[in-house]
Amino acid sequence: AQSVTQLGSHVSVSEGALVLLRCNYSSSVPPYLFWYVQYPNQGLQLLLKYTTGATLVKGINGFEAEFKKSETSFHLTKPSAHMSDAAEYFCALRGGASSNTGKLIFGQGTTLQVKP
Amino acid sequence: GAGVSQSPSNKVTEKGKDVELRCDPISGHTALYWYRQSLGQGLEFLIYFQGNSAPDKSGLPSDRFSAERTGGSVSTLTIQRTQQEDSAVYLCASSSSTGGVLTEAFFGQGTRLTVV
Repeated sequence: AQSVTQLGSHVSVSEGALVLLRCNYSSSVPPYLFWYVQYPNQGLQLLLKYTTGATLVKGINGFEAEFKKSETSFHLTKPSAHMSDAAEYFCALRGGASSNTGKLIFGQGTTLQVKP
Repeated sequence: GAGVSQSPSNKVTEKGKDVELRCDPISGHTALYWYRQSLGQGLEFLIYFQGNSAPDKSGLPSDRFSAERTGGSVSTLTIQRTQQEDSAVYLCASSSSTGGVLTEAFFGQGTRLTVV
């Protein structure tokens, strides 16, 4: 079965500090992995995605993530946190490219708090 | 349209009543998803439509829940005999598919359902 685990439901960092949000996955097929951000009372916005190829992927707002197959991880990082980064972040998995496996499996989410 | 549109944005209903939630996907997107997000919870998969294929209904929590997608475009999620535990934000998303390969999912703003 496919699953996504986000370690830490709440993460608090100071403005300017490194942001690290952890995501581990389980999949029997090569996964497609995504990070989404959700601001209060809004839908989800895609930050970045890994499909195939380069394992370090860069997204919007200075975020990046690295796919590590050996560790079954896809952690999200940003070198320097801004106040505007405060939001809920979701890691998601799709079991490959085929439209037959289109269901997206989400982690429980991590709320990022940025302190001034 | 420019994005995924959901209506209504808010719905308050009495316990036992039926409700219909509507989703207009991005024009041309063949895949459509419904998710449920309860307070403090992650995203719970409900149902997935892809083109003319039979939908993946594996996430529907009970037979009170059903969904249709007419003409491969607009979708309606129906909840019959609503219960208080149905209170949640219902999110719709859509993806395009080229040669059987799905793009990332684009989300609507959600419908907040409150059952009183």
